[in-house]
Amino acid sequence: AQSVTQLDSHVSVSEGTPVLLRCNYSSSYSPSLFWYVQHPNKGLQLLLKYTSAATLVKGINGFEAEFKKSETSFHLTKPSAHMSDAAEYFCVVIDPGTYKYIFGTGTRLKVLA
Amino acid sequence: EPEVTQTPSHQVTQMGQEVILRCVPISNHLYFYWYRQILGQKVEFLVSFYNNEISEKSEIFDDQFSVERPDGSNFTLKIRSTKLEDSAMYFCAGGQPLADEQYFGPGTRLTVT
Repeated sequence: AQSVTQLDSHVSVSEGTPVLLRCNYSSSYSPSLFWYVQHPNKGLQLLLKYTSAATLVKGINGFEAEFKKSETSFHLTKPSAHMSDAAEYFCVVIDPGTYKYIFGTGTRLKVLA
Repeated sequence: EPEVTQTPSHQVTQMGQEVILRCVPISNHLYFYWYRQILGQKVEFLVSFYNNEISEKSEIFDDQFSVERPDGSNFTLKIRSTKLEDSAMYFCAGGQPLADEQYFGPGTRLTVT
């Protein structure tokens, strides 16, 4: 069965410092993995996705994630946090048989001025 | 840019009442999904819908729940007799055939009192 684990429920960073949001996956197949962001009162927006092409995936707003099979990880990074990055971030793996999404528990990112 | 819309944004209802949550997916999408997020918990899959029938449903999606696409544009989730534990944020999503990515609406917050 597919699953993802987000290791931190809350992360706080100062504006201009790097962001690291951690996600580990469990999958018996080569997984398709996603990061979504949810700003307050907004829908879930796709940041980036990994579908077995390049292991380093670049997304919107300067975010990127690296797929590491040996570590079963798909951590989300950004070199320099901006106040507008404050939101909830979800790591997602897709069930290959049904295409349903399996969500992690989310990480709330706080950016301090 | 086309987007998924959901109405209402917030619904308050009394226990035992019926509610209908509405979604208008992006027009060329053919796969549709409902997910829910109970406060403080992870986003959970409820049901997927394709070709006017349910293709997959979770254990949560019992006989109290139903979905339909009545007019080719709206996609609805009905809860026949709401319980306190149905209080959650409900997300609608849609996607295209053979594509992994799902596009989410902003959600409807359902409060059952």
